[in-house]
Amino acid sequence: EDKVVQSPLSLVVHEGDTVTLNCSYEVTNFRSLLWYKQEKKAPTFLFMLTSSGIEKKSGRLSSILDKKELSSILNITATQTGDSAIYLCAVRTTGNQFYFGTGTSLTVIP
Amino acid sequence: DVKVTQSSRYLVKRTGEKVFLECVQDMDHENMFWYRQDPGLGLRLIYFSYDVKMKEKGDIPEGYSVSREKKERFSLILESASTNQTSMYLCASSGPPGQVTYEQYFGPGTRLTVT
Repeated sequence: EDKVVQSPLSLVVHEGDTVTLNCSYEVTNFRSLLWYKQEKKAPTFLFMLTSSGIEKKSGRLSSILDKKELSSILNITATQTGDSAIYLCAVRTTGNQFYFGTGTSLTVIP
Repeated sequence: DVKVTQSSRYLVKRTGEKVFLECVQDMDHENMFWYRQDPGLGLRLIYFSYDVKMKEKGDIPEGYSVSREKKERFSLILESASTNQTSMYLCASSGPPGQVTYEQYFGPGTRLTVT
């Protein structure tokens, strides 16, 4: 059965901390892995990863895929209260299906 | 600018009613998806469609049906709403695998309450 697992389920940190969110997957016909940020509305796209070992970076956020370990991490450095959200990981298959993890809820305390 | 719209942000229906949730995208995307999102369960795929008049069951299709008569519109139908279908429903679309970027774009969601 295809599945995507995220850890931790929730996280509370102080502003300025660095956090690492994990995503592991067991999906046949893997095509790409995507990270989303969801605040009070629909998810917004962060990164798409297709190749192992190549870091994607956007400001204080970065992500990398390890196809050997079937996993990805999302790093957020110097966290701010605006980073508080649910972070979703999804895997897209070659058949255009998307499998989502349950998300990691991040709370950043001032 | 990319846009996926859903017909209602909030909806309250009675048990047994037939419910239609509409989703429209203006990006000429081939693929469209319906998800429901519940606390602790994450996003779960109900149905998806990869072309007009084509549909595939997702993880939890029971109690739902879909319709894709036009490329830009994907409808989710609850034939006889039940209280366990109270949820946030999210529609999404994406381009074909051949595109350089093919992440999903989501609509704002419809929060459905069945009483």
